[in-house]
Amino acid sequence: DGGITQSPKYLFRKEGQNVTLSCEQNLNHDAMYWYRQDPGQGLRLIYYSQIVNDFQKGDIAEGYSVSREKKESFPLTVTSAQKNPTAFYLCASRRQGSYGYTFGSGTRLTVV
Amino acid sequence: QKEVEQNSGPLSVPEGAIASLNCTYSDRVSQSFFWYRQYSGKSPELIMSIYSNGDKEDGRFTAQLNKASQYVSLLIRDSQPSDSATYLCAVSSGGYQKVTFGTGTKLQVIP
Repeated sequence: DGGITQSPKYLFRKEGQNVTLSCEQNLNHDAMYWYRQDPGQGLRLIYYSQIVNDFQKGDIAEGYSVSREKKESFPLTVTSAQKNPTAFYLCASRRQGSYGYTFGSGTRLTVV
Repeated sequence: QKEVEQNSGPLSVPEGAIASLNCTYSDRVSQSFFWYRQYSGKSPELIMSIYSNGDKEDGRFTAQLNKASQYVSLLIRDSQPSDSATYLCAVSSGGYQKVTFGTGTKLQVIP
């Protein structure tokens, strides 16, 4: 079955560390997205990519980085420059046209 | 002004009743409208898409769109306790343009 796989499900990071969240899809979708969800604030767009080797900043890109070397993969790195990284991170993909997102199951990141 | 607005709730309805969830948006060029259901601790799941004015029905769910009033709604008939979740309204101007989400309305269906 096609879908989006995010790993790990839970991640703990020490202050000052970079961590990378994995996102893989086998839906053959061109576009992929990273959102962050905090309580009471809805989903906020971090980065998105419409094609391989190209990506754009979203509304809250500071302290994050991404790569899109393969169509199936869109990893997100949370750097030490992100001051408040504790959140629920959601990866999504979308097929060409005006269709809704398919979401992965999310990664819950906690700074300890 | 928020781009997509929803009442955060909670909206409480008795089992078997109709739940009515509302959403307004600010961008007049928006073309695609979505409703997602999100259970606590889980990721959002797409339940309805609507692109033209009027009603779209899918089982117990009906999405309603009024572009002139910039208003989208979701009706859930014969509400069940399993419908208890947060419902996110989302709007896009089309193509690969980003989808903007509201903060969601929490629905509680009381047995």
